[in-house]
Amino acid sequence: EDQVTQSPEALRLQEGESSSLNCSYTVSGLRGLFWYRQDPGKGPEFLFTLYSAGEEKEKERLKATLTKKESFLHITAPKPEDSATYLCAVQATSGTYKYIFGTGTRLKVLA
Amino acid sequence: EPEVTQTPSHQVTQMGQEVILRCVPISNHLYFYWYRQILGQKVEFLVSFYNNEISEKSEIFDDQFSVERPDGSNFTLKIRSTKLEDSAMYFCASGFSEYGYTFGSGTRLTVV
Repeated sequence: EDQVTQSPEALRLQEGESSSLNCSYTVSGLRGLFWYRQDPGKGPEFLFTLYSAGEEKEKERLKATLTKKESFLHITAPKPEDSATYLCAVQATSGTYKYIFGTGTRLKVLA
Repeated sequence: EPEVTQTPSHQVTQMGQEVILRCVPISNHLYFYWYRQILGQKVEFLVSFYNNEISEKSEIFDDQFSVERPDGSNFTLKIRSTKLEDSAMYFCASGFSEYGYTFGSGTRLTVV
């Protein structure tokens, strides 16, 4: 069964304290891995798409990387406005184009 | 920047009533989706829609649910005979291709 697991469930950082969020996945074949940011009461906001192992994408303080079993979202020198839930989702080659989501990591950055 | 618009933002309904959740996808998008998120749980796939028909649906999407694109721009999710466990955030999403799509802000459905 295709599955996505994110860790940690919650993370508190001081402003400027860099860290990484993990997304481990088990799929029959990976079509794509997606990172989204979700603010309370809002819909997921697209951040990155990764398609193959070794691929990296960057946007401001965020950098996403992909291996054959997991993806990391690195946050460099975070600011309080980076506080949100970060969601990882995969599209598997076995199905159509639905996303399989993880439970997310709730990030809180303290000033 | 183009966005997916969902209405209403919050809907309260009596158990057993029918509700229609509405979505206006981004205008040149071809692929449409509904997802839901029960409070504190994962975002779950409900249904995908392409070329005016359902392309995939989950086990959750039973006869109680239906989707329509009534006028070529709106995309609706109808839930018949709502149950307490249907209370959730419902997200519409659309994409120009199958890879990576844009989500709306959601409709919070509360069944009482």
